[in-house]
Amino acid sequence: AQSVSQHNHHVILSEAASLELGCNYSYGGTVNLFWYVQYPGQHLQLLLKYFSGDPLVKGIKGFEAEFIKSKFSFNLRKPSVQWSDTAEYFCAVNAAGRRALTFGSGTRLQVQP
Amino acid sequence: NAGVTQTPKFQVLKTGQSMTLQCAQDMNHNSMYWYRQDPGMGLRLIYYSASEGTTDKGEVPNGYNVSRLNKREFSLRLESAAPSQTSVYFCASSGPGQSTDTQYFGPGTRLTVL
Repeated sequence: AQSVSQHNHHVILSEAASLELGCNYSYGGTVNLFWYVQYPGQHLQLLLKYFSGDPLVKGIKGFEAEFIKSKFSFNLRKPSVQWSDTAEYFCAVNAAGRRALTFGSGTRLQVQP
Repeated sequence: NAGVTQTPKFQVLKTGQSMTLQCAQDMNHNSMYWYRQDPGMGLRLIYYSASEGTTDKGEVPNGYNVSRLNKREFSLRLESAAPSQTSVYFCASSGPGQSTDTQYFGPGTRLTVL
C-alpha cells in the first residue's frame, strides 16, 4: 500500500521568507503527485500536480514543486510567502491508473505579517 | 456552476443514531469520493465510485455505506453512529476518468457523535 509522509506539521514564517514543505511517498511503481491547499474556512483546492514530463511543476499563486524520483519526494516551494498563504497544505499521491488518492497528514503554515 | 455541494454543513448525533450525508456535483464527473478528515491524520478515503453504478471501499470503510444514486449524487450513510465517527467529511469528484484528473472538493460536513 502506498503512503505519504509530511514531516513538517506546523511551520511559522514571516512574510517574504522562503518556503519549502517536505513530502515523501512510498510506492514502487509510477505515481501521480498532487499538492492541495485548504485556506481557513474554505474547502480543499488544487495547487499543482505532476504526472509526467518536466519534474519541476509550477502551480497557482507562485507555488512550485519538484519531483525527485530517486528520493521519492515532491517538495513544495515558494520563494516569498505572503500572509494570505496561511493555510493547511496536503501532499497526495495515487498510483498511475488508479483514481483514489492517499493524503499526507498535512502541514499547517502560519505566515506572520 | 455550484461545483460539489454537501448537506448538511453541521450535524450532531447521539451514539446509535443513523444519518445520510448528501453530495452532488454538477461538473459531469464520472468519479466521486468520500473522505474523512481528522486532526493530524490528513484525509482518509472511506469509499469511492469510479463511475455510475460502481462503488469500492477505501482505507476506512467500516461503519459506513454508500449509494451512487446517479451520475450527480453520491451519498454516505452511517447506520449506527459511534463517537469514533466524529470527523469532518468531504465529498469530491473528478473526471473524465484518468488517474491524473484533479479532484474537486465540497465544503465539508462537520459531524459530532455524542
